[in-house]
Amino acid sequence: AQSVTQLGSHVSVSEGALVLLRCNYSSSVPPYLFWYVQYPNQGLQLLLKYTTGATLVKGINGFEAEFKKSETSFHLTKPSAHMSDAAEYFCAVSEYTGRRALTFGSGTRLQVQP
Amino acid sequence: GAGVSQSPSNKVTEKGKDVELRCDPISGHTALYWYRQRLGQGLEFLIYFQGNSAPDKSGLPSDRFSAERTGESVSTLTIQRTQQEDSAVYLCASSLAAEKRHEQYFGPGTRLTVT
Repeated sequence: AQSVTQLGSHVSVSEGALVLLRCNYSSSVPPYLFWYVQYPNQGLQLLLKYTTGATLVKGINGFEAEFKKSETSFHLTKPSAHMSDAAEYFCAVSEYTGRRALTFGSGTRLQVQP
Repeated sequence: GAGVSQSPSNKVTEKGKDVELRCDPISGHTALYWYRQRLGQGLEFLIYFQGNSAPDKSGLPSDRFSAERTGESVSTLTIQRTQQEDSAVYLCASSLAAEKRHEQYFGPGTRLTVT
């Protein structure tokens, strides 16, 4: 069975500061990993994904994440936070064999202080 | 182009009533998923449809939950005899094919409140 743990249900940073949202996964087979963002009153939007190949993946809005197999992690970072980054972020895992749906973490709400 | 749409956006119902939620996937997307998002929690998988194959119902929490899909278009999620613990946001997603399940496009959700 696969699972996702997101450390910190709420993270607050100052505008211009580094954003770091943590995600650890458990999977019995090599995973596909994703970050989704949910802005208030909007649907989920894919931010970035790791399937195969380069372990550092870049997404929209300046976000990136690094797949570290040895640490079973896929942390999301952004060098400089903007006010518009305030949203809820979900990490998800999908095994490329077996069950076809995504397994999500419980989410991290990012607040950006002026 | 049009994204995934869901209706209604909000639904308030009394305990014991049946509700029906609708999802219109992106045209041409053969795979469709339903998820449930309880307050303060991540998304839980409910059911998935892929073309004409038998749906994967492994995520449905009880036999009060059922879903149908007409061909490769509209899907409805039905909850019978609703309970307060059914209160959640129900999200629908679609993708081009199950093999591309990582490229799931989500609708805005239906917020269900059972009083």
